[in-house]
Amino acid sequence: GAVVSQHPSWVICKSGTSVKIECRSLDFQATTMFWYRQFPKQSLMLMATSNEGSKATYEQGVEKDKFLINHASLTLSTLTVTSAHPEDSSFYICSAAGGDSKGELFFGEGSRLTVL
Amino acid sequence: KQEVTQIPAALSVPEGENLVLNCSFTDSAIYNLQWFRQDPGKGLTSLLLIQSSQREQTSGRLNASLDKSSGRSTLYIAASQPGDSATYLCAVYNQGGKLIFGQGTELSVKP
Repeated sequence: GAVVSQHPSWVICKSGTSVKIECRSLDFQATTMFWYRQFPKQSLMLMATSNEGSKATYEQGVEKDKFLINHASLTLSTLTVTSAHPEDSSFYICSAAGGDSKGELFFGEGSRLTVL
Repeated sequence: KQEVTQIPAALSVPEGENLVLNCSFTDSAIYNLQWFRQDPGKGLTSLLLIQSSQREQTSGRLNASLDKSSGRSTLYIAASQPGDSATYLCAVYNQGGKLIFGQGTELSVKP
């Protein structure tokens, strides 16, 4: 299947700093990527849909100024957590459609953010 | 609004047992349904994708069925092994390719 890579896999930062997480489709082009957030022992919550060359679409309740998404190319989407606070600590996972007719989504390995 | 529910939330079985994980969804107007596996602290591994026109998919010891009219899917795991221990997530595709996830079933297979 298609491969999606995230970087970094884990990051620790101080409160008030900004953190950028990258999501890359390694062997296919992805016009649309999705960003999810997962709290411990909970399921994945869709945060936003990232569209190449246009603004991201955010789900209700997700602050677009807090979670900046940029999809500058067909293989890269970035999520920047701005002015991070401890409550932003979470597991962030991206996904992308593999481009085939089935519409199957493939997921990155996830990025663990800890804000001190 | 689509809601996805998985039962049970947790399951512990001895090695070798066959088991069934259940997933239900409230809106039958789905495109596809996908089952994933998630190990602790890791991302998601796709197990099976069932397209809306299909009723089941099989891969090795795994078999997933889909009944859109009743809003249900099941994941059948045959001859369970300790390596099958993980959280299993069911997710349905709505319009626009958005995936809506269930809460997951945490499976523990005891040797």
